[in-house]
Amino acid sequence: RKEVEQDPGPFNVPEGATVAFNCTYSNSASQSFFWYRQDCRKEPKLLMSVYSSGNEDGRFTAQLNRASQYISLLIRDSKLSDSATYLCAAQYGNKLVFGAGTILRVKS
Amino acid sequence: EPEVTQTPSHQVTQMGQEVILRCVPISNHLYFYWYRQILGQKVEFLVSFYNNEISEKSEIFDDQFSVERPDGSNFTLKIRSTKLEDSAMYFCAIRVPEAFFGQGTRLTVV
Repeated sequence: RKEVEQDPGPFNVPEGATVAFNCTYSNSASQSFFWYRQDCRKEPKLLMSVYSSGNEDGRFTAQLNRASQYISLLIRDSKLSDSATYLCAAQYGNKLVFGAGTILRVKS
Repeated sequence: EPEVTQTPSHQVTQMGQEVILRCVPISNHLYFYWYRQILGQKVEFLVSFYNNEISEKSEIFDDQFSVERPDGSNFTLKIRSTKLEDSAMYFCAIRVPEAFFGQGTRLTVV
């Protein structure tokens, strides 16, 4: 089983839609989780940190389910500018282990 | 938000040549990381560096790779004899505790 696994997508959604991504992790000892946004050929940029059950920031909500070992990211009212690859990362010791990313395309 | 600057932004090198990638954080940090991302693939951990020593390294980080902090501010990744498969984006990161990445160096080995 991969350490961090994501549905690669792509998710093609219209503007204004709500979209959700899931990410599963294999190491139950992981304590911290993160969602990053990555634009083409750019560095990953931190979107949200998830330390306990969840976190909300504007249109973005992240949730953590430790029993099932998955993290989710919900984006409400999608904008064209939300089009990007969304990376899930789990902290293993002092390093981050990333999923392969989920591609989101928001269309007008 | 902490800032990390990487140089060069793009480097093309011939197979077998040595390359040095540089990272300069704006403020003082103890933890530094190098990650790489081969085009179309996931971001992979290479090495972590704490208090001027390697604290952890991945299987990718073999004898061809080395890291150092030569002058207390720059943090470098050296690849001694580049191979075609070393072509990738290389990201330096600091952690506070989330990882913040530099803009990356695109290494192309020809």
